[in-house]
Amino acid sequence: AQTVTQSQPEMSVQEAETVTLSCTYDTSENNYYLFWYKQPPSRQMILVIRQEAYKQQNATENRFSVNFQKAAKSFSLKISDSQLGDTAMYFCAFRSNNAGNMLTFGGGTRLMVKP
Amino acid sequence: DVKVTQSSRYLVKRTGEKVFLECVQDMDHENMFWYRQDPGLGLRLIYFSYDVKMKEKGDIPEGYSVSREKKERFSLILESASTNQTSMYLCASSVAPLAGQETQYFGPGTRLLVL
Repeated sequence: AQTVTQSQPEMSVQEAETVTLSCTYDTSENNYYLFWYKQPPSRQMILVIRQEAYKQQNATENRFSVNFQKAAKSFSLKISDSQLGDTAMYFCAFRSNNAGNMLTFGGGTRLMVKP
Repeated sequence: DVKVTQSSRYLVKRTGEKVFLECVQDMDHENMFWYRQDPGLGLRLIYFSYDVKMKEKGDIPEGYSVSREKKERFSLILESASTNQTSMYLCASSVAPLAGQETQYFGPGTRLLVL
């Protein structure tokens, strides 16, 4: 079974600065997908960014980018120019290529952006 | 936009009661999921359904059952609620797995308190 670990339960960053959230995972598979989801306070969870394991290029979505290190089984999220609206719980998730669309989530990181 | 709705945002029940949590999606998605979210544990999959009347156990199905009589609706049932089922319950839906394009869309969650 796959496991996903987020080692930082809480983090904070000053507005306009850059922050990196860590995620590691354990799998014996070669093809899979990785995701970062964001859950703002009292609001619905939304997808931030996804990465296909077979792609070497790191995914980027505006101010959000990932550092995908397949050999190290690491998938960190970098948020540049942090905004107050980035305050949220962030979850890293893994999806096997062989398990339908089931996701395995990490424990989450609570990010606070301070003005 | 995809819309996933859940019948209640907050629910208080007594030990031993039968509890129904309803989820409805409006995008004709094949897959639907029920998760519970607990601090430090992230989201854990309870059950999922990949078609009407089809269901599969997730990681923590004990004490729960599900029903999917119509494509748009997926119900989670706690046959006899217990205090350890106090949690946030999240419903999600997605299209059937096709080359990694199956983003899961989440509902707002139901915070259940069992007394």
